[in-house]
Amino acid sequence: AQKVTQAQTEISVVEKEDVTLDCVYETRDTTYYLFWYKQPPSGELVFLIRRNSFDEQNEISGRYSWNFQKSTSSFNFTITASQVVDSAVYFCARKIQGAQKLVFGQGTRLTINP
Amino acid sequence: NAGVMQNPRHLVRRRGQEARLRCSPMKGHSHVYWYRQLPEEGLKFMVYLQKENIIDESGMPKERFSAEFPKEGPSILRIQQVVRGDSAAYFCASSPNREVDGYTFGSGTRLTVV
Repeated sequence: AQKVTQAQTEISVVEKEDVTLDCVYETRDTTYYLFWYKQPPSGELVFLIRRNSFDEQNEISGRYSWNFQKSTSSFNFTITASQVVDSAVYFCARKIQGAQKLVFGQGTRLTINP
Repeated sequence: NAGVMQNPRHLVRRRGQEARLRCSPMKGHSHVYWYRQLPEEGLKFMVYLQKENIIDESGMPKERFSAEFPKEGPSILRIQQVVRGDSAAYFCASSPNREVDGYTFGSGTRLTVV
């Protein structure tokens, strides 16, 4: 199976620290898409980013940034100057072109302590 | 412009009862996807439907589970004779076409089997 691995089960940091969530994926496909979702304590899933395999430029959105490294099959997510409201479970996912289903990692539970 | 609506948010069923979970896609979306999130796990794909058709049910358990997306009305995920192991969060997502730019997920239905 072409897995998505989030090796960090839980991370706990103090507010204002930077934190990076790792995501490593397996794929035999040349065209694929990678996603990050946030699941806050309320339980809903919030879409954060979609990246296709041809676009290796890093992306920054406010305090969030994503580092896509095709050579290492990684798509890591960094939160700069973390805040308590960033506390959530974060999921990385992959989709193959032509398929409709996402394959999710196990998630990383991020706790930001005041 | 309402998002993906799922109801109920919480559902409690006794073992052996039936559970019906409803998903109304975003306006203009004719593709629906169901995912299950077991406690402390990532989401797992269950089924992909287009209006009146099941396109991919590779993630559906072989027994007791069924899904439909009629011409009129919401998509329904039906679980017959529920067991404790069915307790999970069930998420629905929708898209306007086959090539999704990023799913829009509903808030999920949390099923508890007692």
